[in-house]
Order: sequence, then C-alpha cells, then structure tokens
Amino acid sequence: DTAVSQTPKYLVTQMGNDKSIKCEQNLGHDTMYWYKQDSKKFLKIMFSYNNKELIINETVPNRFSPKSPDKAHLNLHINSLELGDSAVYFCASSHLTDPFTDTQYFGPGTRLTVL
Amino acid sequence: QQPVQSPQAVILREGEDAVINCSSSKALYSVHWYRQKHGEAPVFLMILLKGGEQMRHEKISASFNEKKQQSSLYLTASQLSYSGTYFCGTVSSGNTGKLIFGQGTTLQVKP
Repeated sequence: DTAVSQTPKYLVTQMGNDKSIKCEQNLGHDTMYWYKQDSKKFLKIMFSYNNKELIINETVPNRFSPKSPDKAHLNLHINSLELGDSAVYFCASSHLTDPFTDTQYFGPGTRLTVL
Repeated sequence: QQPVQSPQAVILREGEDAVINCSSSKALYSVHWYRQKHGEAPVFLMILLKGGEQMRHEKISASFNEKKQQSSLYLTASQLSYSGTYFCGTVSSGNTGKLIFGQGTTLQVKP
C-alpha cells in the first residue's frame, strides 16, 4: 500500500526532449508538492497544489509546468530539458489543515538524467 | 532564507551520541526534522512548534529555542539504522506552508 507513488523511478533522456513525471497519493491529502534535490542533496520546493489550485510557485523556469487533474494526482511536465535539470524530483503530500504544522509525506523520487 | 545546519557530517560508533543543529535568520513558527537514507525518500521524524514541548522519536529527541531561532536534534546511543542525511525544514511566520530545508547533515554510524 504505497502512500505516495511516483513514475517513473528513473528517467534518462536527451537535451531538448520533453518529459513528464507522475505522482499519486492515496492518503486522502489535500495538498501536493514537487521538490527538486540536486547532486549536493539540496532539497528545494518547486510547486504546491491544494485541491487542484496552485498555491506555491517558486522561481522555477517556465519550462516546468505542474498539472493537478484531481487532488490525488500531481504531474510535472518539463519542456526542452537541459543538463541542469538533472536531479531527483520528489513529490510530497500533506493534509494542510494547519500549514505551519502539517507533516509532508514524500514519494520515492524520480531520478532524472539529462544527457 | 535557507536554515543552516551544523555539522555538515558526523561519523559515530554505535552507542555514541550526536547533536545536529539548525539555525535560521528568520522568525520561525515550526521546525520539521527528516531523515533520508541513501537512494530513498526523506522520512518525517518530528516537528517542533513555537511554544511547544521537546519532542522525541525513539531515542532521538529535539528542542526548539525560539529566542535564538535554533533547533537541535539529539541522537542518543546511536544505532546503525540512524545512518543517513538529516534535514531540518523550517516554516516561518508569513511563509504559509512552505518548508525551507537546510543543506543536510550526513550521519554515519559504524559498528
């Protein structure tokens, strides 16, 4: 019973390609997030959706476009991939009953390698 | 702004203790501690709230000094399973719901 799942686990692609990463949570949470973890393990928030509405949109190139078809799913589409996009992308979810105290549960991550 | 963790890395023998610190230049509402093992997702350990009590997860405890905007994670009688990278995530007043993570502290526990 995976709580937060992501597909694919690994993604290897060429520069300039377009790719998508999918995330699903079965925890009944209202809020989902995308994080990027670089090679130095720095974990940085990219986006957050609450009930399909974008609530956090950090300074991320507009080549990155999140989409939330429903509150259990959050996808990340990346256009024109660049070498610097290589990283591990984590999806997370939380209840957001109290934004200051909500615990975020992370998915297993998608390792993206751009060649 | 990103909180600062210290030390960057710790190597321990089983049974030894360690302290990991997390400092912020912003007024904090809460501090969240996560542990990430190699190749895995970060896993929530505990949360410290402004005005709250010291928390504990097994033999790991943490405190939050609101005046100094600092949190410390105490690992007592470390076990091999404690190895991993520990991250503090901070939520500032006015930064609703946004967790800002520190750079991480890598802990290695040896037999």
